[in-house]
Amino acid sequence: EDQVTQSPEALRLQEGESSSLNCSYTVSGLRGLFWYRQDPGKGPEFLFTLYSAGEEKEKERLKATLTKKESFLHITAPKPEDSATYLCAVQEFKMAGGGADGLTFGKGTHLIIQP
Amino acid sequence: EADIYQTPRYLVIGTGKKITLECSQTMGHDKMYWYQQDPGMELHLIHYSYGVNSTEKGDLSSESTVSRIRTEHFPLTLESARPSHTSQYLCASSLTLPGNEKLFFGSGTQLSVL
Repeated sequence: EDQVTQSPEALRLQEGESSSLNCSYTVSGLRGLFWYRQDPGKGPEFLFTLYSAGEEKEKERLKATLTKKESFLHITAPKPEDSATYLCAVQEFKMAGGGADGLTFGKGTHLIIQP
Repeated sequence: EADIYQTPRYLVIGTGKKITLECSQTMGHDKMYWYQQDPGMELHLIHYSYGVNSTEKGDLSSESTVSRIRTEHFPLTLESARPSHTSQYLCASSLTLPGNEKLFFGSGTQLSVL
């Protein structure tokens, strides 16, 4: 069964203090790994998709990397507006009739950036 | 910018009532999904659709039903609401394009059943 585990569950940083969030996964065949940002009371907002080990993507202060077993979301010099819950999700290759190809999500990392 | 809309944003209703949560997207996406999310917990897939007249149950058992009569519309119905149905319901859509399977989410409906 697919599993997505995110750590830490919560992280409090000072403004400007860089850190990394971890997402470890177990799937039989990875089709894609996704990072989303979710603000309180809102739906997840897409950040990145990674497809193969060694791939990296960047957006402003965020950088996502992927290995065969885990992904990291690096946050460089964060600002208070980066405070949110960051969700990791995986999509597995499935045979025809093998069920939904929706995403399997982790519980997320609740990130707080203090001024 | 994703154009997927959910109504209502908040709903407080008594036990036994029938409710329909609306979801519409203007992007022409063929795939649509309903996820359920409780506070601090992961999103769980409860229904999905790959196109008009196609609906399937997801990984998490749910007493709700869905329909897909039009591409842009994917409503979710609870025939008789119970307190155990209290949760946030998130609708999402995507295109069937290799390498472009990202989901766009609506803002969600927070349902409270008293």
